Amino acid sequence: DTEVTQTPKHLVMGMTNKKSLKCEQHMGHRAMYWYKQKAKKPPELMFVYSYEKLSINESVPSRFSPECPNSSLLNLHLHALQPEDSALYLCASSQGFGVEDFNQPQHFGDGTRLSIL
Amino acid sequence: ILNVEQSPQSLHVQEGDSTNFTCSFPSSNFYALHWYRWETAKSPEALFVMTLNGDEKKKGRISATLNTKEGYSYLYIKGSQPEDSATYLCAVPGAGSYQLTFGKGTKLSVIP
Repeated sequence: DTEVTQTPKHLVMGMTNKKSLKCEQHMGHRAMYWYKQKAKKPPELMFVYSYEKLSINESVPSRFSPECPNSSLLNLHLHALQPEDSALYLCASSQGFGVEDFNQPQHFGDGTRLSIL
Repeated sequence: ILNVEQSPQSLHVQEGDSTNFTCSFPSSNFYALHWYRWETAKSPEALFVMTLNGDEKKKGRISATLNTKEGYSYLYIKGSQPEDSATYLCAVPGAGSYQLTFGKGTKLSVIP
């Protein structure tokens, strides 16, 4: 069983809907990540939170809005998405986000498969 | 943006065969090299994190080596089993932050 839990596993939404993806970890990790993965491509980093503060936003459109309510939770709020946003959205966590953490792996959730109609 | 390349893109082997594949990465400003196994409908699972030139790590039938001077790592699977079928991803962090750049992966299919 994965130590990073993502809900829902599947989501189908229209372009005018508002929905949220949720991610939870209880490993005491201080860094959490959102990735987007399209078929036959590697995961692409979207956002990084370190100590509950947004550290990296990889020029992601504003229709994606991340939120880190506490050190264990990470949300991704979705609004007015486009068909090209259909993808697998992966959440991950790691002990930290500094150079001293490079020798620690990231822990991934199972992902949310998102389809935009 | 770091250039991380993996080869081959896909691989089909018979059960019992041994196999290996490659990850190449920039040799300058090297910090670490991560290997992950990603089975269909599951989460990517960390296999190894390697930091030292000449490092060799082993986990059951899977092992990995690292050459930081020439910028490559090999992943070996001895006596492949159907449960080894997965996509194997390597990734490296960028300079100064733990932001991983992933290769496109090697998709391994083990035929019973």
